[in-house]
Amino acid sequence: DIQMTQSPSSLSASIGDRVTITCRASQSINNHLNWYQQKSRKAPKLLVSAASNLEDGVPSRFSGGGSGTHFTLTINSLQPEDFATYYCQQSSVSPRTFGPGTKLEIK
Amino acid sequence: EVKLVESGGGLVQPGGSLRVSCEVSGFPFRSYWMSWVRQAPGQGLEWVANINKDGSETYYVDSAKGRFTISRDNAQNSLFLQMSSLRVEDTAVYYCARDRAKMYCNGTSCSSLYYSLDVWGEGTTVTVSS
Repeated sequence: DIQMTQSPSSLSASIGDRVTITCRASQSINNHLNWYQQKSRKAPKLLVSAASNLEDGVPSRFSGGGSGTHFTLTINSLQPEDFATYYCQQSSVSPRTFGPGTKLEIK
Repeated sequence: EVKLVESGGGLVQPGGSLRVSCEVSGFPFRSYWMSWVRQAPGQGLEWVANINKDGSETYYVDSAKGRFTISRDNAQNSLFLQMSSLRVEDTAVYYCARDRAKMYCNGTSCSSLYYSLDVWGEGTTVTVSS
């Protein structure tokens, strides 16, 4: 199975900051990588698919990048509604494993 | 409106069985793969299983193999997860999600299919405890 790791596991930042979350796969997944946002243990929301494609309605301050085994999710100019937990997920092969999550908190 | 509504969660003793369901509306159910994802209390997301459009292919996380069975009824727009030999560690919120396949095109060239979980239900809680 492909293992996914994320760093950092938690992050404190201020409104207006730029933050980057990193996700790594244990083997190449090309760009079969998705990012999800989860607030207060509600249903997750898909933000980015295929590593860099923003879903409709997701603010342009979010961006995804990377390929192979190394991926990033960047949020420019943090807004209050962005404080949440973010998960990456590989969709290259089943089981379609998630990363452990990165909790983004207000400083 | 696209909607997924899970049901069937509850309290079950270790070793017991439970079937959770997901009723779908607002999109052509038979045209999509579907997945189950779970989240244990205080933990992250764990992909559990998925099923192809006609139910002929299924995939499971190792911890679910031999104990869980994913199935679907396209006539009833419903997805199921039959769970048996339940363990305390199966305690979680179980989400169903639409497993979207999308192709990305740039000019005259298009990519292969990329899968992502683009619509989620609100979840149903399964508690395994004596």
